[in-house]
Amino acid sequence: DTAVSQTPKYLVTQMGNDKSIKCEQNLGHDTMYWYKQDSKKFLKIMFSYNNKELIINETVPNRFSPKSPDKAHLNLHINSLELGDSAVYFCASSPSPGQFEEQYFGPGTRLTVT
Amino acid sequence: ILNVEQSPQSLHVQEGDSTNFTCSFPSSNFYALHWYRWETAKSPEALFVMTLNGDEKKKGRISATLNTKEGYSYLYIKGSQPEDSATYLCAHKTDSWGKLQFGAGTQVVVTP
Repeated sequence: DTAVSQTPKYLVTQMGNDKSIKCEQNLGHDTMYWYKQDSKKFLKIMFSYNNKELIINETVPNRFSPKSPDKAHLNLHINSLELGDSAVYFCASSPSPGQFEEQYFGPGTRLTVT
Repeated sequence: ILNVEQSPQSLHVQEGDSTNFTCSFPSSNFYALHWYRWETAKSPEALFVMTLNGDEKKKGRISATLNTKEGYSYLYIKGSQPEDSATYLCAHKTDSWGKLQFGAGTQVVVTP
């Protein structure tokens, strides 16, 4: 059973389009995250939700909007896609934001904007 | 140190040799230090979460130490095997609700 799953795995789209990436975890965790792997391969946090409530909102363009319909799902919607949005996006979850909680990562979604 | 830094960026190890590498992080506002193992085409997997100065953690042939006062952690691999080949990431957390700040990773290649 996949613990943290993301769909789609690959996404190729044109500039200006709107797209969504979905994430689901079946671990019963309260906290979910979106990361972007940048061109230098750094993993950078974008958003975090705890029990459907936004707790981390990094400085990302407001074209990016997360949505958490329930604590098992955290989706990422991107409006007006730009070339610079091309990256691998990782979803993760943890039992809580607490001190000892490791994060469980999904397989990543490779987004290519042409 | 303002950010999380890992060194070296990459290293090649002969099978059977032991190796170690470093994660440096800001020593102020320490909350936790995570180590993750990231194999090519897979997702990062947690190795250790370390919280106390002087902490030592071990999982099989891999172990880690933590010095929060000077802001560094070492990861050790004893008797490296080809399956240890991966990028090892460390990440620093400054408070409970705060973000994990990742380093760029140390890529380890173990050759038979």
